[in-house]
Amino acid sequence: EVQLLESGGGLVQPGGSLRLSCAASGFTFSNYAMSWVRQAPGEGLEWVSAISGSGASTSYADSVKGRFTISRDNSKYTMYLQMNSLRAEDTAVYFCAKGTCSGVSCPHSYGMDVWGQGTTVTVSS
Amino acid sequence: QSALTQPPSASGSPGQSVTISCTGTSSDVGGYNYVSWYQQHPGKAPKFMIYEVSKRPSGVPDRFSGSKSGNTASLTVSGLQAEDEADYYCSSYAGSNKGVFGTGTKVTVL
Repeated sequence: EVQLLESGGGLVQPGGSLRLSCAASGFTFSNYAMSWVRQAPGEGLEWVSAISGSGASTSYADSVKGRFTISRDNSKYTMYLQMNSLRAEDTAVYFCAKGTCSGVSCPHSYGMDVWGQGTTVTVSS
Repeated sequence: QSALTQPPSASGSPGQSVTISCTGTSSDVGGYNYVSWYQQHPGKAPKFMIYEVSKRPSGVPDRFSGSKSGNTASLTVSGLQAEDEADYYCSSYAGSNKGVFGTGTKVTVL
């Protein structure tokens, strides 16, 4: 069964850092691009970042560029999101999602077919 | 990267059809045939419903269909069922390896 499991969420002060992980199973991880998508409380979905299957290409939403870094370790079937300089507006449930092909644009070109259950990040003093 | 515009709500009786619009610009919806749709029940992860404007992933009922005209994409749910009550989000490729979601539409089955 194809599964994604996020971890690493929690409460952090403004200006602080947090690293999220997304553990994958049930498919050949390196063959697929991956994305992070977040949802603030009571709000809609917001695409955050994507990474190609090889990890060589990455892309970020303007709202997080320069503060967040996406990466993956294909040997560990795990994707990461390093979040620095966190702001109150980064408070959200963070979902990881699997693309249907390997290119970095795949998640938004061809869709995201498997999603994790999300991990909650709260930025507050 | 402004969010695509969707109506906040839509509704229909069981068995009826409901259509949700998703309006963007020539830089996203209008510029590419890369529109996807997702269904999200409260407290759950989104579910992949439509890709490349009108294609259905395996397992998605054919009651769900997608289309596009100009800068506006649409999702139609025919033969509404109680389990279709959920939030629906469109998504589009926006160039430069970036993507954008819609504002979301809450569908109510009356």
